[in-house]
Amino acid sequence: DQQVKQNSPSLSVQEGRISILNCDYTNSMFDYFLWYKKYPAEGPTFLISISSIKDKNEDGRFTVFLNKSAKHLSLHIVPSQPGDSAVYFCAAITNSIPFNTNAGKSTFGDGTTLTVKP
Amino acid sequence: GAGVSQTPSNKVTEKGKYVELRCDPISGHTALYWYRQSLGQGPEFLIYFQGTGAADDSGLPNDRFFAVRPEGSVSTLKIQRTERGDSAVYLCASSLDTVHNRQFFGPGTRLTVL
Repeated sequence: DQQVKQNSPSLSVQEGRISILNCDYTNSMFDYFLWYKKYPAEGPTFLISISSIKDKNEDGRFTVFLNKSAKHLSLHIVPSQPGDSAVYFCAAITNSIPFNTNAGKSTFGDGTTLTVKP
Repeated sequence: GAGVSQTPSNKVTEKGKYVELRCDPISGHTALYWYRQSLGQGPEFLIYFQGTGAADDSGLPNDRFFAVRPEGSVSTLKIQRTERGDSAVYLCASSLDTVHNRQFFGPGTRLTVL
């Protein structure tokens, strides 16, 4: 039972256009979400995060939207650049349970490979 | 800057052998995590440490897998009697805290079991 799903294995967009990467989750206990970016032969690097008390978080060209009722989040990249070409992972954690021993456990989706064409 | 480092970068071993994978976290990070990533999949949680103790080892697949962090810094993931299905990239990450869980990942160790 995969609790975090990224249903699009790949996405191709033209430079300068918007990239939208989607993520769905099933566990309603998740209350903090992160996006990581991964280049080949490197570990994932943190990109942006959002708490479940918000519905939007923006950082430069990157914006994450959270729809709790739909258990859906998306990452928007505007404008897309060739250097954004990478694998993007959505991750979710549960922070709010008191003395939650699972607080360190991130659950990842399988990733979406973004290709931005010049 | 000194990020998370992992050694070796590649490890090829034979079925049934014992392997150790090492992780050096960012200095000052109290939380350390191990993940396993198979081709085409996202990182899969194995275990995480808060200081020297394993706070959650629920992701370890079986008792052939064990991890230690004796001094609260460097960690070693140990795999006994390796099997071909253990072949994957093993990722280590560290974070300053677990609340917001922004993790800094190492480049991983690619383990191949022949």
